[in-house]
Amino acid sequence: DTAVSQTPKYLVTQMGNDKSIKCEQNLGHDTMYWYKQDSKKFLKIMFSYNNKELIINETVPNRFSPKSPDKAHLNLHINSLELGDSAVYFCASIGQNTDTQYFGPGTRLTVL
Amino acid sequence: GESVGLHLPTLSVQEGDNSIINCAYSNSASDYFIWYKQESGKGPQFIIDIRSNMDKRQGQRVTVLLNKTVKHLSLQIAATQPGDSAVYFCAENGGSNYKLTFGKGTLLTVNP
Repeated sequence: DTAVSQTPKYLVTQMGNDKSIKCEQNLGHDTMYWYKQDSKKFLKIMFSYNNKELIINETVPNRFSPKSPDKAHLNLHINSLELGDSAVYFCASIGQNTDTQYFGPGTRLTVL
Repeated sequence: GESVGLHLPTLSVQEGDNSIINCAYSNSASDYFIWYKQESGKGPQFIIDIRSNMDKRQGQRVTVLLNKTVKHLSLQIAATQPGDSAVYFCAENGGSNYKLTFGKGTLLTVNP
């Protein structure tokens, strides 16, 4: 059973396009995250939602807009894609009584 | 600013040897630390964690040591196997219930 899933796994698109990445967790967790991992494997937090409410918003361009329709889903929409957006994006979630974040398999975004 | 860093970006060991991966942290407010393993093409996977009221914790073939005096964290892997080859990240919570700050990652290569 997949705990944290993301779609698509690979996304190749042209500069200037708008795209979305979806994330779902079936762990019953209250908090979800989006991370960006660059080519040097550095993992940086972007956003976090707790029960559909934004609780962490790092310095991310406003072209990135997270949406949480319910606490099991956190989607990431990116407008006007740029070359520098190319990276692997990871979704993660955490339960209410734990500190351990569980990660999805990642979405590799390539902007041409 | 506060940061979590690694002493060695790469580590190469022979199969059967013990591996030690080190991590330095600087946020004295951190009270929770985690080690993650990331295999190629996959998301980070939880290995072991430790709270600041402990200095050692053991799992299956893995041990995490925490030295709060010098703000140092290490991951020891016993009898390293080829399947242990991956990038290993340490992470700290900075005293927050929700936010993890990740270190740079160490690439462990196990030679048969």
